[in-house]
Amino acid sequence: KAGVTQTPRYLIKTRGQQVTLSCSPISGHRSVSWYQQTPGQGLQFLFEYFSETQRNKGNFPGRFSGRQFSNSRSEMNVSTLELGDSALYLCASRSSGGTGELFFGEGSRLTVL
Amino acid sequence: QKEVEQDPGPLSVPEGAIVSLNCTYSNSAFQYFMWYRQYSRKGPELLMYTYSSGNKEDGRFTAQVDKSSKYISLFIRDSQPSDSATYLCAMDTGTASKLTFGTGTRLQVTL
Repeated sequence: KAGVTQTPRYLIKTRGQQVTLSCSPISGHRSVSWYQQTPGQGLQFLFEYFSETQRNKGNFPGRFSGRQFSNSRSEMNVSTLELGDSALYLCASRSSGGTGELFFGEGSRLTVL
Repeated sequence: QKEVEQDPGPLSVPEGAIVSLNCTYSNSAFQYFMWYRQYSRKGPELLMYTYSSGNKEDGRFTAQVDKSSKYISLFIRDSQPSDSATYLCAMDTGTASKLTFGTGTRLQVTL
């Protein structure tokens, strides 16, 4: 069974640009969550999508947005990039509505110059 | 104060040692408790998933949950150099559809 797949794995952007990250969940998983990981803050929840609907959102500015498609694949977008957005962005999927185990992808490492 | 507190380490132990990793939490609504292992430049990998208080064993790993004390532990027996990684505890209320993570403990197992 294939795991969670994230693309791209690495990317470099400059301040003010925007970026789109993609996540394909484990087959059959309908819930997709996004987390930001930085050395100082650890893993912080961005948002979760279930059946194309955003079910929960963390405390991030509106520059961070996401969506989920009918095949459960998800994208997140960060607009007007800031230096502080440099981080590992992790996508995770789980099988049941809200209490299933969470499985992570390997992440997309974003560097903002 | 953070909802989940975890000593960042680093923790260095010799091969074969028993390792104890711990987290405390303040939110009594947490019902599900997980331990993840994260190797450098990789995503977190689920190690243990528990719901109730008590112990759960899987090979060399034992997860322990004490809800009355709001304290969870992960024990690693016969530690190996391949166990060198960052260990993250995570918790879930079951209704918020998100996990709250500790900051992670970096473990180094030396030969």
